[in-house]
Amino acid sequence: DIQMTQSPSSLSASVGDRVTVTCRASDRINNYLNWYQRKPGTAPKVLIYAVSNLQSGVPSRFSGSGSGTDYTLTISSLQPEDFAVYYCQQSHSTPWTFGQGTKVEIK
Amino acid sequence: VQLAESGGDLVQPGRSLRLSCTSSGFTFGDYALTWFRQAPGKGLEWVGFIARNFYGGTTDYAPSMKGRFTISRDDSKSIAYLQMNSLKTEDTAVYYCTRAVQWLGRYWYFDLWGRGTLVTVSS
Repeated sequence: DIQMTQSPSSLSASVGDRVTVTCRASDRINNYLNWYQRKPGTAPKVLIYAVSNLQSGVPSRFSGSGSGTDYTLTISSLQPEDFAVYYCQQSHSTPWTFGQGTKVEIK
Repeated sequence: VQLAESGGDLVQPGRSLRLSCTSSGFTFGDYALTWFRQAPGKGLEWVGFIARNFYGGTTDYAPSMKGRFTISRDDSKSIAYLQMNSLKTEDTAVYYCTRAVQWLGRYWYFDLWGRGTLVTVSS
């Protein structure tokens, strides 16, 4: 199985901050990498698919990059509605796996 | 456009349970479907996948569920099912049905999720 490791596990930031979340795969996943946002009591919502493609309706302050085993989610200017848990997920090979999540909290 | 899971319940170890995933607002048969779960205090875990009937409705499962869980679909009713047999206490989780999208014929991602249904396996 491909293990996905996110860092940090949590972070505190202020509105307007630039935030970066990192995801490392235990093996090369060749850009089969998605990012999800999850707010309390709700199901995950896809933000970005295949590394850098923004899902329809997702604000452009979200962006993704990376290759090989290392990938990054960036929020260019954190907004109040962005406080949530973010997950990376690989779809390179089954079993499809998620990172453990990064909680973005208000500073 | 939505998915809704149902059928979650409290069941004893070794028993069976069938979950349903009903859809509305889109052409159910045009999409593959995937089940995920999240156990209390644990991360998201892939359960299994079913392709469109156009591609034979093929299925794939996580190793720990293969042989115990079966996913099926009835496109005429816009419903998918997750049949769970020989349930174990470690199967206790919220189960989510999701719509799977394949971009450029290669990259799978999950763009529509239900709210989930709770399965508790306990004696």
